[in-house]
Amino acid sequence: DAKTTQPNSMESNEEEPVHLPCNHSTISGTDYIHWYRQLPSQGPEYVIHGLTSNVNNRMASLAIAEDRKSSTLILHRATLRDAAVYYCILRDVVKNSGGSNYKLTFGKGTLLTVNP
Amino acid sequence: ETGVTQTPRHLVMGMTNKKSLKCEQHLGHNAMYWYKQSAKKPLELMFVYNFKEQTENNSVPSRFSPECPNSSHLFLHLHTLQPEDSALYLCASRILSLNTEAFFGQGTRLTVV
Repeated sequence: DAKTTQPNSMESNEEEPVHLPCNHSTISGTDYIHWYRQLPSQGPEYVIHGLTSNVNNRMASLAIAEDRKSSTLILHRATLRDAAVYYCILRDVVKNSGGSNYKLTFGKGTLLTVNP
Repeated sequence: ETGVTQTPRHLVMGMTNKKSLKCEQHLGHNAMYWYKQSAKKPLELMFVYNFKEQTENNSVPSRFSPECPNSSHLFLHLHTLQPEDSALYLCASRILSLNTEAFFGQGTRLTVV
């Protein structure tokens, strides 16, 4: 399984941008980079994903390095509700699925604390 | 609200009990997953289903028995569990296409006494 490395924790102030880094030096050419977050007492929630180009959606932006060995999740203005564990995941294809399905293998993620 | 509903939200069971966890979605998804999240450990994938067919069992002990009667429902049958099986059990679903995201339920907090 492809692996990712993230800092255990990060801290931010409310209303400021947050850059959450992720290293994935063993990424293969077809691996998509997925980000999920888990708020306290909830299941994980999809944030964003990408392959090569930078991506933007209503929640965040994903900046992918040219060599794809690292990526950064950007929250443009952190709010208290963004306090969560953020997971950077490389999608794995499920065996015996004929390539039609993938699974998400979660690491420990980054615990983001947002200060008021 | 993700559209993936898990019941019950909390469950306390003895080691000799038999219970079942239920996951339901009416999002038209055709892939469903069970994950286990123990305290201070990453989420662990347990089972994967494609169109009701189990395609992956991640070396899960036989005291956990999944069932997927149709694409909208997924069960996890539990029997003779151990205290170390206490954890948050999460269900997820998605459409079988490589680029779609997974939707997770709120989880069932299981305590084995």
